[in-house]
Amino acid sequence: DAKTTQPNSMESNEEEPVHLPCNHSTISGTDYIHWYRQLPSQGPEYVIHGLTSNVNNRMASLAIAEDRKSSTLILHRATLRDAAVYYCIGTYSGAGSYQLTFGKGTKLSVIP
Amino acid sequence: EAQVTQNPRYLITVTGKKLTVTCSQNMNHEYMSWYRQDPGLGLRQIYYSMNVEVTDKGDVPEGYKVSRKEKRNFPLILESPSPNQTSLYFCASSPLVGGDGNQPQHFGDGTRLSIL
Repeated sequence: DAKTTQPNSMESNEEEPVHLPCNHSTISGTDYIHWYRQLPSQGPEYVIHGLTSNVNNRMASLAIAEDRKSSTLILHRATLRDAAVYYCIGTYSGAGSYQLTFGKGTKLSVIP
Repeated sequence: EAQVTQNPRYLITVTGKKLTVTCSQNMNHEYMSWYRQDPGLGLRQIYYSMNVEVTDKGDVPEGYKVSRKEKRNFPLILESPSPNQTSLYFCASSPLVGGDGNQPQHFGDGTRLSIL
């Protein structure tokens, strides 16, 4: 798995956009980038994933740098419910090996 | 409702007393996995299974066993629990599409084990 680096914590005001960065300089050409989040007292929750191009879903957008050494998770309007630890993970895409290696993540605080 | 169900949610037990944490999913997923979460260490994978009767070690398998006799169930077995296995445990499942493991994983709500 690609090693990822994220800031320990970030703050955002409610209803403002949030950009959560992730560096993955050792990523290989076949490693996907996954984002999960973990709300207090809950299991991790899938947010989004992508390989090369930017991705959008109902929860967030994922912007992947052209050289794939970094990516940014974008929450378009932060709500109090978005306060969580966000994990950026690189995963191998081949069959027979599927392991999510979680780092320490970024703790996002949302200020009302 | 699609879900991953773990039982028990909380357990306090003593060293050496065998215990099993059950995990069941109702989404017909091929892939299932167990993680433990410890302060400062994040989530670490214990074991995973690509399908029935197919299991493999993750990063921290020592002291644990698993079995996959049915597609929906993936129990975690601690034959002789020790205090260093006190942790928060999560089960997860996902489909395998065309052998590609890059599908979203669905996690259970966790089991908090305390081994005294």
